[in-house]
Amino acid sequence: DAGVTQSPTHLIKTRGQQVTLRCSPKSGHDTVSWYQQALGQGPQFIFQYYEEEERQRGNFPDRFSGHQFPNYSSELNVNALLLGDSALYLCASSGTPTEAFFGQGTRLTVV
Amino acid sequence: AQSVSQHNHHVILSEAASLELGCNYSYGGTVNLFWYVQYPGQHLQLLLKYFSGDPLVKGIKGFEAEFIKSKFSFNLRKPSVQWSDTAEYFCAADQSGGYQKVTFGTGTKLQVIP
Repeated sequence: DAGVTQSPTHLIKTRGQQVTLRCSPKSGHDTVSWYQQALGQGPQFIFQYYEEEERQRGNFPDRFSGHQFPNYSSELNVNALLLGDSALYLCASSGTPTEAFFGQGTRLTVV
Repeated sequence: AQSVSQHNHHVILSEAASLELGCNYSYGGTVNLFWYVQYPGQHLQLLLKYFSGDPLVKGIKGFEAEFIKSKFSFNLRKPSVQWSDTAEYFCAADQSGGYQKVTFGTGTKLQVIP
């Protein structure tokens, strides 16, 4: 049974570009959350998707947007990339309110 | 704003030493608390969680944590650490009744010397 899978694992983008990160949740999980983990920091909550709707959002600008598909997979989009967007982006999936599983993350470098 | 504080950024212990990592949160109401571990090169894994009931929570690999409401604390403990416990440990909290909007601390890097 596959866990949470994220793609790509690494990517490099230029400032001002747009990026799309992808997440496939653990089998049976219907909720996907996205986090940003800057170097030396703990993960910061970006937003959560459930039933294809954004259910909660953290303190991130509108440049960060997302989507959830009928198969529960999810995308994170970031527009107008800034150098400060360089981070590890984590996806977590859950099927109940009491447990979540994290993927390995996507390392985004903005140059 | 809600926050989670971890007091120790880097801890170095010898094998068999006892471990206690501090965690404080700033919520005033009902809160769910977690400890996660990230081994080198691996993804975040849940060590233990507290939602309600017994404030002494036992997790995997011999870890436990105690929820002390009056001190807004949720410290992680292990009586005897092993070299394989070398990892980064994150305390996290959620005030919304589940995995809705989890706030993480900045993490504590634990290095266990054989």
